[in-house]
Amino acid sequence: DTAVSQTPKYLVTQMGNDKSIKCEQNLGHDTMYWYKQDSKKFLKIMFSYNNKELIINETVPNRFSPKSPDKAHLNLHINSLELGDSAVYFCASSQVISILASNNERQFFGPGTRLTVL
Amino acid sequence: QQQVKQSPQSLIVQKGGISIINCAYENTAFDYFPWYQQFPGKGPALLIAIRPDVSEKKEGRFTISFNKSAKQFSLHIMDSQPGDSATYFCAASTRAGNTGKLIFGQGTTLQVKP
Repeated sequence: DTAVSQTPKYLVTQMGNDKSIKCEQNLGHDTMYWYKQDSKKFLKIMFSYNNKELIINETVPNRFSPKSPDKAHLNLHINSLELGDSAVYFCASSQVISILASNNERQFFGPGTRLTVL
Repeated sequence: QQQVKQSPQSLIVQKGGISIINCAYENTAFDYFPWYQQFPGKGPALLIAIRPDVSEKKEGRFTISFNKSAKQFSLHIMDSQPGDSATYFCAASTRAGNTGKLIFGQGTTLQVKP
C-alpha cells in the first residue's frame, strides 16, 4: 500500500494553462507539504498544511494555490503556468507533534510529479 | 541565503570505501538533522537522523557525526555499495513553531563504482 501517492506522475502542458496535482496520504498524519525540486535537484518547501490549515507559505507566487479538503489530501493548483514552473513537485506528510511530545518528525515523500511546461 | 550548506556536490567512491558528505548550518535554533536518500525517479526517503544532544548516531553502515559548536554534521557510509548510489540530502528543522519545516542542503550525488 502506497503511503503517500500523487497523481499524475507526469504532466506536460503549454504555457498559460491551469493544472492540478493531487496528493493523498494514508498514514493518518496531520501535516502535509508541497516541495519543488528544480533541475539541479534542489528541494525547497512551498507549502505546509496542518489539519487543513495553512501553516507555511514560502513566498510562492499566488498562481500556486494549495487546497486541503481533508487531513489526508493536499492538492496543488497552478494557474497560468510559466516555463520556470517546470520541475518535480513532491508531496510529503508527517505527524508534527508538540515540542513536549516524542520526536517523530519524519516526513514521508510521495513519488513526485514531473511537470514540464512548453 | 542558504541556511544549510552541503558538500561535495558529487562524489565517486569505490565499492567497499567510505563515503563522507558534510553539511553546515547557520541557525542555532535547529534541533533536528535528518539525512534523506533519493534514488532516480523516486521521492526522498529518510535514512537517518540526529538531535544535537548526541555527537554520533549509527544505524548499520550509516553514521551521522554531529559537532554542535562548529554547527556541522556529516554522513559516513561505511563499506559503500553500488546500491548506495543515489542523491543524499542533509536537512535541518526546529520544533519551535511546530511546523515541521525542513531546510534542505543542495544534495550530493554519490556514485559507488563496483
